[in-house]
Amino acid sequence: GEDVEQSLFLSVREGDSSVINCTYTDSSSTYLYWYKQEPGAGLQLLTYIFSNMDMKQDQRLTVLLNKKDKHLSLRIADTQTGDSAIYFCAESLISSGSARQLTFGSGTQLTVLP
Amino acid sequence: GAVVSQHPSWVICKSGTSVKIECRSLDFQATTMFWYRQFPKQSLMLMATSNEGSKATYEQGVEKDKFLINHASLTLSTLTVTSAHPEDSSFYICSAREASVEQYFGPGTRLTVT
Repeated sequence: GEDVEQSLFLSVREGDSSVINCTYTDSSSTYLYWYKQEPGAGLQLLTYIFSNMDMKQDQRLTVLLNKKDKHLSLRIADTQTGDSAIYFCAESLISSGSARQLTFGSGTQLTVLP
Repeated sequence: GAVVSQHPSWVICKSGTSVKIECRSLDFQATTMFWYRQFPKQSLMLMATSNEGSKATYEQGVEKDKFLINHASLTLSTLTVTSAHPEDSSFYICSAREASVEQYFGPGTRLTVT
């Protein structure tokens, strides 16, 4: 079955880069997502990457995928206090040409210190 | 674009009553909607998947007679918690997906059963 794991906590200083890591188990064709959740709110889709890609960059966000090690990371450049939130990694397998339901990691609480 | 709303955002009800939560896709047609439950400081647990016009598919361990899901149109799905008990208190989040791989989440509904 699918399993997605993340470390629970990360603290960084404002202005530094944050790197949040995630590992997954399924090696089939898959999409991998990063979501952000602020307190008391739903999930905001930040970015996603297909498993045949190695990297995707979108402004301050860089996603790196090591398919061999089944390791995904999210790098946030110039981290700001507004980036403090829980970040969820999620995996979705491809079935019949479309993405199926998501399997979430436990979430990483990012705390940005002034 | 791709906005998903939920109503209400929070609700308090007495034990034994039923509560209905609505999930709407505001600017797209959602062929599939998902209902999740999230306990404090934990990840999202998928409860059920619903496709417009058909019965919902429940995850193992989720009582379908207790958590009634209706996906009556391409923009609306409802979750009714019947005969609610204090242990049903949780944060309920819906998500919606059209034909693409992106899944968009609602802001969540905080249910407190007294």
